[in-house]
Order: sequence, then structure tokens, then C-alpha cells
Amino acid sequence: EAGVVQSPRYKIIEKKQPVAFWCNPISGHNTLYWYLQNLGQGPELLIRYENEEAVDDSQLPKDRFSAERLKGVDSTLKIQPAELGDSAVYLCASSFGPLAGGKETQYFGPGTRLLVL
Amino acid sequence: QQQVKQSPQSLIVQKGGISIINCAYENTAFDYFPWYQQFPGKGPALLIAIRPDVSEKKEGRFTISFNKSAKQFSLHIMDSQPGDSATYFCAATAGGTSYGKLTFGQGTILTVHP
Repeated sequence: EAGVVQSPRYKIIEKKQPVAFWCNPISGHNTLYWYLQNLGQGPELLIRYENEEAVDDSQLPKDRFSAERLKGVDSTLKIQPAELGDSAVYLCASSFGPLAGGKETQYFGPGTRLLVL
Repeated sequence: QQQVKQSPQSLIVQKGGISIINCAYENTAFDYFPWYQQFPGKGPALLIAIRPDVSEKKEGRFTISFNKSAKQFSLHIMDSQPGDSATYFCAATAGGTSYGKLTFGQGTILTVHP
């Protein structure tokens, strides 16, 4: 079974440029998460989707970050414009939905490593 | 109140030894406590998880001990192997409207010497 797929794996951009990350979750997983992981830290949730609906985006810096999950499958996370402090790993994860009876394990993709110069 | 505090930051053990990582939490609404293992360049992968209705869960060489009254839980790795060298994260989440919102600890870098 294929895991969570993310692309690109690495991205280097100049500050003030836009950048986008793509995620394809595990087939059948209704819930999709975007996390930010700074070096030496645990992941921090940015946004959670249930199908197409963003049900928790309280930690998403909405002035420069946006996300979408069209058709409830793939998702894109965008930063515009990028700042130096955005350099980090952006992780996507997926799981079965809250009605799945205890199947709340989140499966993470390999992440996109962003470096803003 | 949402924090999960993890210690130690780094841990070095010899092959065959026992690795112990500790976590503490404040939010009594947390009802699911997973441990994740992360290798360099990879995303975190679920290692083992526990709910607060049991005090211990064992899977192979990995054991979670849970102390609900102290709001603490720990990961024990028995017979540690060099292949266990990785970063370990404890996490916690609550149900209801907080479903799926994992709060991670700061991580422990484990090094197992041959």
C-alpha cells in the first residue's frame, strides 16, 4: 500500500517568493493534516481537513499561508510571500476520519524541506 | 495546558541496554498517547500508542508505561539496538472537537552504540 506522497522533497527559494507543496494522502483516508517541523522540534499542526472542509486552521498564519483540498483527496499548501523564518520541514499526514472507531493513527509523508534564502 | 514536556533531549545507550524516555502533560482531556519514531530525512512513524484506561502496553521490545494520576507516560526500549538510533516523539490528543490535533513533545535523540 502506498504511503503519503509529498512533493517536492526539497525546495530552495529567495525570500518574498511564493512556494507550494503538494500532498497525496493514503487512499481511503478522509482526514488530512499539514504540520510544520522546525529543526530539533516536534511537528506542529497547521491545518486539518475532514474531506474538503478545513475543520481546524487556528494555527495557520493566514496572512501568508493558504491551503486547499479540492475533491477531498490531494492537498496543496502555499506560502506567499515566503520569509526567512519559514525555513523548515512541512509534513503532510493522513488518517481515517473521527468516526472510524479508534483508527486515529496518523501516517506521515517524508516532508518537504524548505530553505528560504 | 496544551504542552507535552519530554525528557531527556538526548540519550546514549549501549547495545543491549534499556532506553527510557519520559513525557508529562497537563491537559486532562488527552485520551490518546502515541509515540513516534523519526529517522533523518523521513516523516515520523507510529511506534506504539496507549489510552489512559491501561497502565502499560507492550509490543515487542517497546513498552509504554502510563501513570494517569501523575499525568506522565514513558517509553521503554528493551535490548536497544543500533537500528533504534532515531528521534523519538511522544504526543497526545483529545477527542471531540480536538480530534486529530496531536501535540508533540520536543523529541529525544537516541543513539545506541554497538
